[in-house]
Amino acid sequence: QVQLVQSGAEVKKPGSSVKVSCKASGGTFNSQAFSWVRQAPGLQLEWMGGIIPLGGIALYAQKFQGRVTITADESTRTTFMEVWSLTPDDTAVYYCAVGDGYNPYWGQGTQVSVSS
Amino acid sequence: EIVMTQSPATLSVSPGETATLSCRASQSVSSKLAWYQQKPGQAPRLLIYDASTRATGIPARFSGSGSGTEFSLTISSLQSDDLAVYYCQHYNGWPAFGQGTRLDIK
Repeated sequence: QVQLVQSGAEVKKPGSSVKVSCKASGGTFNSQAFSWVRQAPGLQLEWMGGIIPLGGIALYAQKFQGRVTITADESTRTTFMEVWSLTPDDTAVYYCAVGDGYNPYWGQGTQVSVSS
Repeated sequence: EIVMTQSPATLSVSPGETATLSCRASQSVSSKLAWYQQKPGQAPRLLIYDASTRATGIPARFSGSGSGTEFSLTISSLQSDDLAVYYCQHYNGWPAFGQGTRLDIK
């Protein structure tokens, strides 16, 4: 059983950046595949990217390439997702999830609001 | 990029009846297809993976079928608790979700 606990809600100004964390308990952290998924208000789920801590190579959806950075810290069993150059369109709930392609385990979500 | 299209956008079904939700991929995803249930204010919950395998703890009322580009999720003996949005997701390469089907209970 894996549990994922995400950091708290954030309010940001346009042009700034936000870094969301996701701490995992249970399972073998290094070999798990972590994904980040966002959901804008009233809209569908959107896969942003993912990472397997062993090796540390992150993959990104084309839409987010160059504006999102996903990292992992084995010592704290935590993954991070940072979004740069925020705009109001980045207002969304951001989820971390873990699984081998499909995701049986999800964090509780982190609300990020971008407004001037 | 593989695009997932779900239909219908909204489905209204009476308690006790059966609901069938559809998901189409723009190109073959083999059987690498999952279904999720999302209730308001909650994270998605995995129902089905590998197109037809129920996730742990999911009742047999939920069943998935299909392969290649055409998939379906069937929910039998509908209950009021099944009110939710249902998403399909492929994981044959870069994952992508469909736009969701909202299931209303009459």
